Amino acid sequence: EAQVTQNPRYLITVTGKKLTVTCSQNMNHEYMSWYRQDPGLGLRQIYYSMNVEVTDKGDVPEGYKVSRKEKRNFPLILESPSPNQTSLYFCASRPLGQEKDTQYFGPGTRLTVL
Amino acid sequence: KNQVEQSPQSLIILEGKNCTLQCNYTVSPFSNLRWYKQDTGRGPVSLTIMTFSENTKSNGRYTATLDADTKQSSLHITASQLSDSASYICVVSARRSGGSNYKLTFGKGTLLTVNP
Repeated sequence: EAQVTQNPRYLITVTGKKLTVTCSQNMNHEYMSWYRQDPGLGLRQIYYSMNVEVTDKGDVPEGYKVSRKEKRNFPLILESPSPNQTSLYFCASRPLGQEKDTQYFGPGTRLTVL
Repeated sequence: KNQVEQSPQSLIILEGKNCTLQCNYTVSPFSNLRWYKQDTGRGPVSLTIMTFSENTKSNGRYTATLDADTKQSSLHITASQLSDSASYICVVSARRSGGSNYKLTFGKGTLLTVNP
């Protein structure tokens, strides 16, 4: 089954404790992206990657890092989480080049930073 | 500034009734417009995608329209079902300069509740 998976689905942590949220897709998509979703603000892009070893900032990259060492994986790293990073996070992927290609979203990771 | 505005913010209807959700955008250069359905606590799922030349697209009981001149889109849901209760998000795609990449601008969504 074609899908985007994220782990963990739920995470409660404390300020300053480094964490990583994993994202994996099995559709051989070039493009992967991370979003955060907050009440009243909609989805906002954090980082995106157009292929292996190619990453770029989205609209709200501060406090986050990403890496793209393999095509299928795109982990999101919070080096020193803060309470304002409490949010619902979505990973997404799609093929590149076709303007009507669908973007597939993962199930989401709900992060709480105390 | 690229923006996508959706209305209403929330809507409650009775099962079996029809409804229409609205989306206005100021995204440029326009590439395509997508409607997503997001169930509570889950990732968005694509319903329809329309390019500049398409003014209507259907997916079962969902019909999306696009007026590229007025930069407006609507999503019409026919004969609503309880399972239609979700947030509906309008997303407009703009081509980034110099490549095949696209930037998506998301609306804040319309929360639809279908009651029995």
